[in-house]
Amino acid sequence: KQEVTQIPAALSVPEGENLVLNCSFTDSAIYNLQWFRQDPGKGLTSLLLIQSSQREQTSGRLNASLDKSSGRSTLYIAASQPGDSATYLCALNNDMRFGAGTRLTVKP
Amino acid sequence: NAGVTQTPKFRILKIGQSMTLQCTQDMNHNYMYWYRQDPGMGLKLIYYSVGAGITDKGEVPNGYNVSRSTTEDFPLRLELAAPSQTSVYFCASSTGTKNTEAFFGQGTRLTVV
Repeated sequence: KQEVTQIPAALSVPEGENLVLNCSFTDSAIYNLQWFRQDPGKGLTSLLLIQSSQREQTSGRLNASLDKSSGRSTLYIAASQPGDSATYLCALNNDMRFGAGTRLTVKP
Repeated sequence: NAGVTQTPKFRILKIGQSMTLQCTQDMNHNYMYWYRQDPGMGLKLIYYSVGAGITDKGEVPNGYNVSRSTTEDFPLRLELAAPSQTSVYFCASSTGTKNTEAFFGQGTRLTVV
């Protein structure tokens, strides 16, 4: 059974800092991995989709990497802003299994 | 583009009542999913469907039922509401192929009292 773990559960950083969020999974036979953002009381917004054949994907200040052999994906956020404050979730698109998320707070 | 639409947005139920949460998508996606999200937690898969007429259990199916009579619609039924079913429910859809994203509705906040 696939297990998805996100560490840390919460993170607070000052504005402008670069940061890394982690997503680990136990079964490396994945199709792809998707990162989402969830604002309080809202639905999920897709940020990045990394296909199993890719090692990384970029969108603006966001960069996601995938290492299937070690069962890990990281989401790198450059030059963080208060507007980045949200919960970030990863999901494996084989069976749409989610991690518990990392709650990010960026302080002005 | 409507995407994935969930109704209602909010609902309060009494213990033992039943209700149906509606989900419809206009992207012709084969795969649809129902999740629940408890406070401070991630999403747990309740049921999913890979196409019209086909449904299967997820991680937490007890107390729920689904049907998929059309590609567009995937309603979730609660037969005897219990306080443990107080949660936010999300519906999602995807093409089901390897290289495509999943899209989510805005959620239904359900309180059982």
